Amino acid sequence: DARVTQTPRHKVTEMGQEVTMRCQPILGHNTVFWYRQTMMQGLELLAYFRNRAPLDDSGMPKDRFSAEMPDATLATLKIQPSEPRDSAVYFCASGLDAVSYTFGSGTRLTVV
Amino acid sequence: SQKIEQNSEALNIQEGKTATLTCNYTNYSPAYLQWYRQDPGRGPVFLLLIRENEKEKRKERLKVTFDTTLKQSLFHITASQPADSATYLCALEQNQAGTALIFGKGTTLSVSS
Repeated sequence: DARVTQTPRHKVTEMGQEVTMRCQPILGHNTVFWYRQTMMQGLELLAYFRNRAPLDDSGMPKDRFSAEMPDATLATLKIQPSEPRDSAVYFCASGLDAVSYTFGSGTRLTVV
Repeated sequence: SQKIEQNSEALNIQEGKTATLTCNYTNYSPAYLQWYRQDPGRGPVFLLLIRENEKEKRKERLKVTFDTTLKQSLFHITASQPADSATYLCALEQNQAGTALIFGKGTTLSVSS
């Protein structure tokens, strides 16, 4: 089965450090999302790409977060500088034409 | 933009019974609505999509209804099993431009044997 691959699975970092999370979407999928999940807020949309072009990143704190798709096989989400409130599970999902989306296993980020 | 409410945070039922989960949205009617299942430590997994012109959709023991007048979708699991225990998430498009999916906070279903 095709799957979305996220790395790393777990990341513990100190406040103020840069964090980079990577996602390999399913080959042929034209849409990539980044979500953040916490107990309090549930799944929050951070950013959204279609055909590698950023379409919506209104859910992302612009001063510290950035999302890119340097090519069709890689999406990245960076946090610089990281803060304890960024601790969450970050999910990447990919899909084709809004029919259904396949999620990765997530990156569990802990900022101490 | 759209807001989603999944009324119950938790639902406990006995094996063999039918579980019914509710998803309500607040603004315009979306072109489609999706349901996902999430197990602890895993990403959500797509289950079903229902379009605005479909009243009901079935897949094995799952049934989804979509009432655009009530702005509500119901998700049913018949003959529930302990393996159905998970969190179920409702998702629909964020706004009428048809952009990204947004999710409800989910209902955690526990099926006891």
